[in-house]
Amino acid sequence: DTGVSQDPRHKITKRGQNVTFRCDPISEHNRLYWYRQTLGQGPEFLTYFQNEAQLEKSRLLSDRFSAERPKGSFSTLEIQRTEQGDSAMYLCASRSDANTGELFFGEGSRLTVL
Amino acid sequence: AQSVTQLGSHVSVSEGALVLLRCNYSSSVPPYLFWYVQYPNQGLQLLLKYTSAATLVKGINGFEAEFKKSETSFHLTKPSAHMSDAAEYFCAVSDPSQAGTALIFGKGTTLSVSS
Repeated sequence: DTGVSQDPRHKITKRGQNVTFRCDPISEHNRLYWYRQTLGQGPEFLTYFQNEAQLEKSRLLSDRFSAERPKGSFSTLEIQRTEQGDSAMYLCASRSDANTGELFFGEGSRLTVL
Repeated sequence: AQSVTQLGSHVSVSEGALVLLRCNYSSSVPPYLFWYVQYPNQGLQLLLKYTSAATLVKGINGFEAEFKKSETSFHLTKPSAHMSDAAEYFCAVSDPSQAGTALIFGKGTTLSVSS
């Protein structure tokens, strides 16, 4: 299966530590998205890449968050100085220009900050 | 700005009963609309999408949805619920005139199915 893959699936960390999540999109997809999902809520948009260019960032993406997609393939989302409020599922999705807007999601990376 | 509202955070039905999950959207342009399903600790899977073709859209697992512009609605239905339909369902909207724009999701509806 060549779907969207995310790593790690689960991460438990202590407050103040840095964490990094990786997303490998479907290989032919040039657009990549990061979302955050908290319990009982729908996914909230964080940021979006077209190839290696970060084209849009939500105001949810505080200065402690940084995302990269250096070669237009995989992407990383780093959270510095984690806070308990960062505990959430971080979802990655991708799509191509050819499809009609639907996103293909990975299984998510669940972060727990103690 | 676009948004979706899902009426009812929790819907309970009996196995074999009709499933109706409600979604209303707000958009200044003709939107694309989507329904996704999420099982526990998993990502989102596309059920169906409306992209300005037929207003009645059929999806996977026997689900369908009808786009009603006059009511700004895109409700999801299934004639007969199955235990395996128990999951979280999300309605989403996007602006097709903005290339690459992210989907905006509703808060979700949890569907419970009892035997």
